[in-house]
Amino acid sequence: DGGITQSPKYLFRKEGQNVTLSCEQNLNHDAMYWYRQDPGQGLRLIYYSQIVNDFQKGDIAEGYSVSREKKESFPLTVTSAQKNPTAFYLCASSILGMEQFFGPGTRLTVL
Amino acid sequence: GESVGLHLPTLSVQEGDNSIINCAYSNSASDYFIWYKQESGKGPQFIIDIRSNMDKRQGQRVTVLLNKTVKHLSLQIAATQPGDSAVYFCAENVQQGAQKLVFGQGTRLTINP
Repeated sequence: DGGITQSPKYLFRKEGQNVTLSCEQNLNHDAMYWYRQDPGQGLRLIYYSQIVNDFQKGDIAEGYSVSREKKESFPLTVTSAQKNPTAFYLCASSILGMEQFFGPGTRLTVL
Repeated sequence: GESVGLHLPTLSVQEGDNSIINCAYSNSASDYFIWYKQESGKGPQFIIDIRSNMDKRQGQRVTVLLNKTVKHLSLQIAATQPGDSAVYFCAENVQQGAQKLVFGQGTRLTINP
């Protein structure tokens, strides 16, 4: 079963805690992406990676960090420096230059 | 700055009618455009794409039109069905060589029975 998986589906965090969101794909895609979506809004790019061990900041990278140690994995850490982390987080992957395929998302709530 | 916007935030159509969702983009150098459909609580689903060297592309029940002169993109859905109810986003690739997408805020399409 090919696709993109994200876990967990729902995540609750206390203020001041770091949390890591998982994103895995078995589509053999080179590129992976993280987006944030707020209610009633479009998606905003946090980070993206076109190749293993390399990644670039998107439009709203402050307070987030990523790693790309394996082609199939692109975890996102939401740090305590992110002042308003409550949002729906979406991971995507693509063949370079082609459409992005999205995972089911993780809904993060800060308590 | 770079942005993709939509003319109408909501659109209601009768089942069986055709619908048109519009999108304005601001970056004249954008070379690739995508339409996504997002159902509540789910990730966006790819519908159709078009490259800047084309004016029109057709899929199954969907057509995308690109007017580079006025920087306008539209999605036409023929014979709408209840399952078409969702939020539709357009996205433009603002960085050639890397797929850096900028998304619009979305249009909510409601299909009335």
